[in-house]
Amino acid sequence: GENVEQHPSTLSVQEGDSAVIKCTYSDSASNYFPWYKQELGKRPQLIIDIRSNVGEKKDQRIAVTLNKTAKHFSLHITETQPEDSAVYFCAATDNNNDMRFGAGTRLTVKP
Amino acid sequence: DAGVTQSPTHLIKTRGQQVTLRCSPKSGHDTVSWYQQALGQGPQFIFQYYEEEERQRGNFPDRFSGHQFPNYSSELNVNALLLGDSALYLCASSGIQPGRREKLFFGSGTQLSVL
Repeated sequence: GENVEQHPSTLSVQEGDSAVIKCTYSDSASNYFPWYKQELGKRPQLIIDIRSNVGEKKDQRIAVTLNKTAKHFSLHITETQPEDSAVYFCAATDNNNDMRFGAGTRLTVKP
Repeated sequence: DAGVTQSPTHLIKTRGQQVTLRCSPKSGHDTVSWYQQALGQGPQFIFQYYEEEERQRGNFPDRFSGHQFPNYSSELNVNALLLGDSALYLCASSGIQPGRREKLFFGSGTQLSVL
């Protein structure tokens, strides 16, 4: 089955700096790669996603890139703000929708 | 439009007991997936229900079982509880439209503590 690895496990940046979180996946059949943000005590919320027919997708300050050949994808957050502090999870799934998550990255944005 | 709702929010059980967790999917969704999230970890896939049948299953023992009802709501049952079953149990629903089925919307979860 699919195995998703995520790093770093923790990331601390200054407000205004950029943050990058990277994930790798094992199953070449995976074709959908979402990113979720989970604030303390709250549910995971979808923030951006990308399908395998696209190499990059951007939504305001966040962007995701996908390298199918290398089987890795990354989340980029620019101009970070304190409210971006949360745990971020990457995930991957194939058409069977058996979605597998990474272990998470705890992002801290220091004011 | 109600999102994904789960009950109860918190539950305390003792080893060996059985527990049932409930989930109502987001309006318009027909697929329900259950995840276990241990403290400091990512969600681990338990199983997925569609058309009242278990369609996919992760690496969880048979002590974990489920059900989906005609109204798309779902239950997760765990028998013979172990201390290691203590976790946040998340339900996620997804929609019917092609190309949208993968987008998971999560409930707030049930925090299960096994003593």
